Amino acid sequence: KAGVTQTPRYLIKTRGQQVTLSCSPISGHRSVSWYQQTPGQGLQFLFEYFSETQRNKGNFPGRFSGRQFSNSRSEMNVSTLELGDSALYLCASSYGGPDTQYFGPGTRLTVL
Amino acid sequence: SQQGEEDPQALSIQEGENATMNCSYKTSINNLQWYRQNSGRGLVHLILIRSNEREKHSGRLRVTLDTSKKSSSLLITASRAADTASYFCATDPGGQNFVFGPGTRLSVLP
Repeated sequence: KAGVTQTPRYLIKTRGQQVTLSCSPISGHRSVSWYQQTPGQGLQFLFEYFSETQRNKGNFPGRFSGRQFSNSRSEMNVSTLELGDSALYLCASSYGGPDTQYFGPGTRLTVL
Repeated sequence: SQQGEEDPQALSIQEGENATMNCSYKTSINNLQWYRQNSGRGLVHLILIRSNEREKHSGRLRVTLDTSKKSSSLLITASRAADTASYFCATDPGGQNFVFGPGTRLSVLP
């Protein structure tokens, strides 16, 4: 089976802009979770989608949003970017979380 | 402190030696997982151990879980330079999403 894919792999934006990241889960997986990883805060949970519904949400401001499509692909959106949003954004898929999660390679976002 | 915390923060050993990392957590869990991350890349799942299990093996990896002490350990035997990475434990407090610790940075010197 193909692994979890994330696009784009690298992104450079400026403050105030918005960005959309995409994640394609492993075929058959219905749960997609998003994480933000920074040197200072480590890996932090953003949200989890299951069957197109947000099932869990982490402690992030409303500028961070996501959605999941009927084919389980997921997108996350960050509006009004801030310098502190620079991070590695990881998505992970599983059959029905919380179970073994399979991670994608991540999208490296740099906000200037 | 966080739900899951790895100890030590950094570990440096010689090739061929064993490496032991510990994870402590605060609330009851259903599962605990260990992941490896090579610099700046995605996480690779190593082992999942359920709360009713005490020990699991996978190749050179051995994971133990002590729910009474709320702790887990990851042992890598006969380490190799390729084992150099950050190792994270992840717990699911309340059976919800997984919470990751800050990780242990392992350096295996040739």
